[in-house]
Amino acid sequence: GQNIDQPTEMTATEGAIVQINCTYQTSGFNGLFWYQQHAGEAPTFLSYNVLDGLEEKGRFSSFLSRSKGYSYLLLKELQMKDSASYLCACLSGGYNKLIFGAGTRLAVHP
Amino acid sequence: SAVISQKPSRDICQRGTSLTIQCQVDSQVTMMFWYRQQPGQSLTLIATANQGSEATYESGFVIDKFPISRPNLTFSTLTVSNMSPEDSSIYLCSVGPGQDYEQYFGPGTRLTVT
Repeated sequence: GQNIDQPTEMTATEGAIVQINCTYQTSGFNGLFWYQQHAGEAPTFLSYNVLDGLEEKGRFSSFLSRSKGYSYLLLKELQMKDSASYLCACLSGGYNKLIFGAGTRLAVHP
Repeated sequence: SAVISQKPSRDICQRGTSLTIQCQVDSQVTMMFWYRQQPGQSLTLIATANQGSEATYESGFVIDKFPISRPNLTFSTLTVSNMSPEDSSIYLCSVGPGQDYEQYFGPGTRLTVT
């Protein structure tokens, strides 16, 4: 079956670092995505990992361990605008189907 | 990245009626997807729509309830048929895959069924 787990909510302080974890069990795994979704808006693409290791994009980094079925999204130098939901999604199957986790609501406070 | 528009952006409908949602992309794309996002929840894939073939539906979604058209490489429609309050949700279309196999999402259609 398909299963993606991530924490429901997290809080952090402006300027700090936060790590959002995601564990997954999917068939036909072809990679893992992180999306950001502000309330009332569409998800926007943040990162894609298909090989083990760390991918860095500015303040955001994403890590993948295929053998452990584990990923994390690391956000540095947090800003108030980073308050949003962060969705972990696995690319699965021949149609490049995205399976989403429930999302982690991150609240950044001063 | 593709620019995606959806119509309508929101609607309030009576139970038993049907609503057709349109998705327009500014470039030709091979794959289009339709998702549902119920209040406070994550995205669930309804179906994959490729031009020239019938849509592929995910478990729990059927063509009679959610008929889809894909007449060309830039346009698709999703119809929510015989609506009930449980269909109240945000419906999003997406396109892909991009360079990193990512999908890009439209702004969504917020549907309320009374």
